[in-house]
Order: sequence, then C-alpha cells, then structure tokens
Amino acid sequence: EVQLVESGGGLVQPGRSMKLSCAASGFTFNNYDMAWVCQAPKKGLEWVATISYDGSSTYYRDSVKGRFTISRDNAKSTLYLQMDSLRSEDTATYYCARRSDYYYDGTYYYYFDYWGQGVMVTVSS
Amino acid sequence: DIQMTQSPASLSASLGETVTIECLASEDIYSNLAWYQQKPGKSPQLLIYYANSLNDGVPSRFSGSGSGTQYSLKINSLQSEDVSIYFCQQNYDSPYTFGAGTKLELK
Repeated sequence: EVQLVESGGGLVQPGRSMKLSCAASGFTFNNYDMAWVCQAPKKGLEWVATISYDGSSTYYRDSVKGRFTISRDNAKSTLYLQMDSLRSEDTATYYCARRSDYYYDGTYYYYFDYWGQGVMVTVSS
Repeated sequence: DIQMTQSPASLSASLGETVTIECLASEDIYSNLAWYQQKPGKSPQLLIYYANSLNDGVPSRFSGSGSGTQYSLKINSLQSEDVSIYFCQQNYDSPYTFGAGTKLELK
C-alpha cells in the first residue's frame, strides 16, 4: 500500500525557516518524481514544487523561488521541503504527492496519483 | 501562467441525478488534465487523468471528457459519498495550475 506521511509543520514567525519531510513507503521511491502542493485555509490547491526521480531537476512556482528548496533522499525514501524567509501568505496545509505519468502516442501526461494527509504550516507572529 | 476556470463554483443536486462540472483552460493544454476529489478534512484523491482515463478503483459513474481548452467531469447517478469539492488541474505547463474548485452538495 502506497503511503506518504508528512511531518514538520507548526507555527513559525515571519522571516523564519521550517523544514517539512514526507516519508514514502509501499512503492519504489526512486522511480517517481515527487511534488509539494499547498492549500491555504478554505482555499484551493496550489502547486509548489516538483523534483525529478533522481533529484537532478527541480521546479518551483514563482512565489517560492529563491525561498523554498525541494530535495529528496532516495536511500531514506524521504522528500523534503526547506522553507526559508517565510511569509504570512505561506500559511497553508502542505501535501506531498507522487507524480505519475501516462505515455501515449509519444507524449507523457502527468498527474498526482497519491497524496499525503497534509501538514499545517502557520506563519504568524 | 495557464488559468483554469472551473464552473460552477457550487452545485446542489439530488441522489441519482447526473451532474457535470466544467473546466476551461486559458490556452490549449492538449488533454493534460486531471480531476481530483477532496472530501472535507481529507487530502485530494485522483479521479481522472489524461482528461478521460479513470483512475484505478474510481467508480464507473465518474467520467471525464474534453480536449483543447474545454474539459468536463460527469457524475452519473449521484451518491451521498460524492459530496466533495472537485478540482481540475492542468499538467501541460509550469506552474501546474488548479481550478478554484466546485463544491458539490446534496439537495
């Protein structure tokens, strides 16, 4: 059974840092790209960052570029999100998600097929 | 950024009814579209990928269709457990944007 379990959230002051972890099990972790998606209270979903299966490529939304770092330890089957210079607008539930793909007619079609339970990050003084 | 406009924002329907949720992309996303269901207090779950492929274990009353910029999610014979918020998401180009969601309630 695929499981993604996030940890590391909580209350943090603006300008400070926090590191989230996502422990994966039930699948071959180093075969999959992984991502972080956030959801502000009572709001919609927002993609944050993606990392390739081997960690060689990373992608970020503009609002977190230079502040957040996605990384992974394939030996530990764990995904991370280092969040620096936190702002009040970063307050959200953060989900880790597995990215899978469907290959058809020469093209890959991506989607997030498994999600963790989420971890709340509150940025407030 | 590709904007995903989802409609309606909320929907009230009766058990057994058929409902349709629409998602309009601001540019062609070439069927790189997924639909997710999020129940209250839970994480999202994948329903549909590649615009029309049903994820494993998802009831066959759910179906997806569309191409280009217009996509839809249809739920046949609405069940009580379908009360949720539904989101579309484009995976064609970064940032991989979501629709604002459609809240489905029972009438």
